[in-house]
Amino acid sequence: QKEVEQNSGPLSVPEGAIASLNCTYSDRVSQSFFWYRQYSGKSPELIMSIYSNGDKEDGRFTAQLNKASQYVSLLIRDSQPSDSATYLCAVNSFNHNNNDMRFGAGTRLTVKP
Amino acid sequence: ETGVTQSPTHLIKTRGQQVTLRCSSQSGHNTVSWYQQALGQGPQFIFQYYREEENGRGNFPPRFSGLQFPNYSSELNVNALELDDSALYLCASSPRLAQQETQYFGPGTRLLVL
Repeated sequence: QKEVEQNSGPLSVPEGAIASLNCTYSDRVSQSFFWYRQYSGKSPELIMSIYSNGDKEDGRFTAQLNKASQYVSLLIRDSQPSDSATYLCAVNSFNHNNNDMRFGAGTRLTVKP
Repeated sequence: ETGVTQSPTHLIKTRGQQVTLRCSSQSGHNTVSWYQQALGQGPQFIFQYYREEENGRGNFPPRFSGLQFPNYSSELNVNALELDDSALYLCASSPRLAQQETQYFGPGTRLLVL
């Protein structure tokens, strides 16, 4: 079982729709969760971080965390073509006093005009 | 932009050679992590440096080694290059060694091993 799993996609949504990205993780002691966006040929850039169960909203983005189900998601409202990218879920378990992050393989999102 | 810089941007090497990649962390950040990202995959943790000491290592062989300098910049060295080492190498810095610290990525170095 992979430590962090995401649907590889591609996920295609029309402009203005809600895009829903999902991620599950295997390490129950994980405490910090991050969503990064990566455009083709570029490095990952942080979108959201979430540490507590529930929802966290930032503009058009909402992250949702359920530690009991070991599940984290990202909703993108009013999707724009510029949102087309690969979205990486990252989980930090802070094992052995180092904060290495474990990444999923990413979900490729395409927003069609 | 994050303020994390990496050099070079692209590099072509042949199998068996050695390579050194460099990273300057964002001002004020004392923790640097290195990741390898193969095409179509998520970044894989190589190791982390905190205050010039290696502070954790992923599942990479000893031919992957690193350094962190007093100004918190860092190097990744790879010896005896193999074809599978072809990847995007990412450096990420964070302000301190703490569980909820975000890591900020540099632009990466794309390495091709022929």
